[in-house]
Amino acid sequence: DAKTTQPNSMESNEEEPVHLPCNHSTISGTDYIHWYRQLPSQGPEYVIHGLTSNVNNRMASLAIAEDRKSSTLILHRATLRDAAVYYCILKPTGSARQLTFGSGTQLTVLP
Amino acid sequence: GAVVSQHPSRVICKSGTSVKIECRSLDFQATTMFWYRQFPKQSLMLMATSNEGSKATYEQGVEKDKFLINHASLTLSTLTVTSAHPEDSSFYICSARVRDPNIGRETQYFGPGTRLLVL
Repeated sequence: DAKTTQPNSMESNEEEPVHLPCNHSTISGTDYIHWYRQLPSQGPEYVIHGLTSNVNNRMASLAIAEDRKSSTLILHRATLRDAAVYYCILKPTGSARQLTFGSGTQLTVLP
Repeated sequence: GAVVSQHPSRVICKSGTSVKIECRSLDFQATTMFWYRQFPKQSLMLMATSNEGSKATYEQGVEKDKFLINHASLTLSTLTVTSAHPEDSSFYICSARVRDPNIGRETQYFGPGTRLLVL
């Protein structure tokens, strides 16, 4: 599976936007970019996913570089409840394989 | 989104006893269920993959005789930690995969996890 690289940790102030980067220079043309987050003592929660175009949903936005070698998860207005570990995961289209988690980025939101 | 439940949410047991953890998909039928384990400050590690009615496939290094998985129906999978020891203390998370008919693609949903403490 193609590998992703994320910063170990990031900090943000409450009510400010947060940009969480992910590098995936070995991404293949059929890999979807998935983002999940894990709040303390909970299972992972789906955030967003995309293939080539930028995506928006009620939780976040996903900006994908033109060459697809990197992407950025954007939380438009961080709240204290957004403090979590954010995982960027690549998964081939139609693949029957499970999601494989890297180390993720620990986001701390400061009041 | 789809809901996956786990029971119990936390359990404390004595060394040498067995513990069963249930994972249910509440509003959908799961084609496949996965079991992950997560130690403190670490990421999720896949333990095994199970399909309904067939034997589970275990990841390298995971003892199949110690971590018994039963996938009796499309909505229920169980993980039994046999003869548990303190080193088995961990956060166990199940995940269920379902095919979304609207988009023709499979999506993976996660349970809330079960924290096991073996004394």
